[in-house]
Amino acid sequence: GIQVEQSPPDLILQEGANSTLRCNFSDSVNNLQWFHQNPWGQLINLFYIPSGTKQNGRLSATTVATERYSLLYISSSQTTDSGVYFCAVVHSYGKLTFGQGTILTVHP
Amino acid sequence: DTAVSQTPKYLVTQMGNDKSIKCEQNLGHDTMYWYKQDSKKFLKIMFSYNNKELIINETVPNRFSPKSPDKAHLNLHINSLELGDSAVYFCASSQGGNAFFGQGTRLTVV
Repeated sequence: GIQVEQSPPDLILQEGANSTLRCNFSDSVNNLQWFHQNPWGQLINLFYIPSGTKQNGRLSATTVATERYSLLYISSSQTTDSGVYFCAVVHSYGKLTFGQGTILTVHP
Repeated sequence: DTAVSQTPKYLVTQMGNDKSIKCEQNLGHDTMYWYKQDSKKFLKIMFSYNNKELIINETVPNRFSPKSPDKAHLNLHINSLELGDSAVYFCASSQGGNAFFGQGTRLTVV
């Protein structure tokens, strides 16, 4: 089956710092999503991004489908950005295969 | 106005019991799912329904039985609960592959 790998596994930042999270996938996919799981366990849909770049406030994402990777940029990080960031590739029947996640901790 | 809602949020039960988790979505999506998140935070699909029909059934023990009375609801019934079933179960719905998740149900089997 398709493999999804995220890096880094853990990231610790000071408030105000910028970061880049990476997601590599092993095969062609229909689409890709980024999620944030906050400390309360909610999975929040950040981006639905098959290719190109999207921006939403301090967050942006870029997917290069031909090279099988996606990047999530967080600028001017805040403590509320803490949590786990997952990428998930969308393939047959809308099935999501998740990466193992990046645990982000932002210190004040 | 919660888009995907599941109940209960927490469930603590003894081994051997039978329990159900309910899920409802008001997004008008055709496809609904159940995902399981283990203790290491890994998320894996269990089932998917499209317009009330089962389309994905991953290798899940047959003690788990999903039921979709209509395309807005997908419930999960679990028989003879085991310690290893302890996890967080997420319901989701999607249209065109863009998925939205419920808040999760933390199941603890003691």
